[in-house]
Amino acid sequence: KAGVTQTPRYLIKTRGQQVTLSCSPISGHRSVSWYQQTPGQGLQFLFEYFSETQRNKGNFPGRFSGRQFSNSRSEMNVSTLELGDSALYLCASSSGTSGGSQYFGPGTRLLVL
Amino acid sequence: GQSLEQPSEVTAVEGAIVQINCTYQTSGFYGLSWYQQHDGGAPTFLSYNALDGLEETGRFSSFLSRSDSYGYLLLQELQMKDSASYFCAVRARDNYGQNFVFGPGTRLSVLP
Repeated sequence: KAGVTQTPRYLIKTRGQQVTLSCSPISGHRSVSWYQQTPGQGLQFLFEYFSETQRNKGNFPGRFSGRQFSNSRSEMNVSTLELGDSALYLCASSSGTSGGSQYFGPGTRLLVL
Repeated sequence: GQSLEQPSEVTAVEGAIVQINCTYQTSGFYGLSWYQQHDGGAPTFLSYNALDGLEETGRFSSFLSRSDSYGYLLLQELQMKDSASYFCAVRARDNYGQNFVFGPGTRLSVLP
């Protein structure tokens, strides 16, 4: 099976802009979770989508949003970018029905100037 | 709140055994996972414990004690390629629903 793919891999934006990141999960997986990873805060959970519905969310401001399509592909949007949004954004796919096994994509490295 | 603690760094030599501990404080605990992340790479799933006891997968084993809110990852026959960061993660429940909370990570250095 092909792994989790994320596009783009690298992105440079300026403050105030918005950005959309994309994630394609492993075939057959219905759950996609998004994480932000920074040296200072570590890995932080943003939200999880399952069957096109946001099932869970972390403690992030409303500028961070997402959606999932019928083919389980997911997008994450960050509006009104701030310098502190510079991070590695990871998505992880799972079957959504069992355990703690998640399979991560390579991530999108976002730099906000 | 929810929090996990693990040592920041561990150093060992090739062929040795190392144990990385993780203690957690969460509500609505479902299970404990372990992930490996090499520099510049993405986290890779290693193991998941929902019940007390030891799970073994090749050179890696993971243990959970729910009553002690404690778990560990045991790496045997260490190899240079095991040098990486290791994260414990808890699947738990908070006011927003279920989520995954990751520990700060333990950087393992394997020396020749």
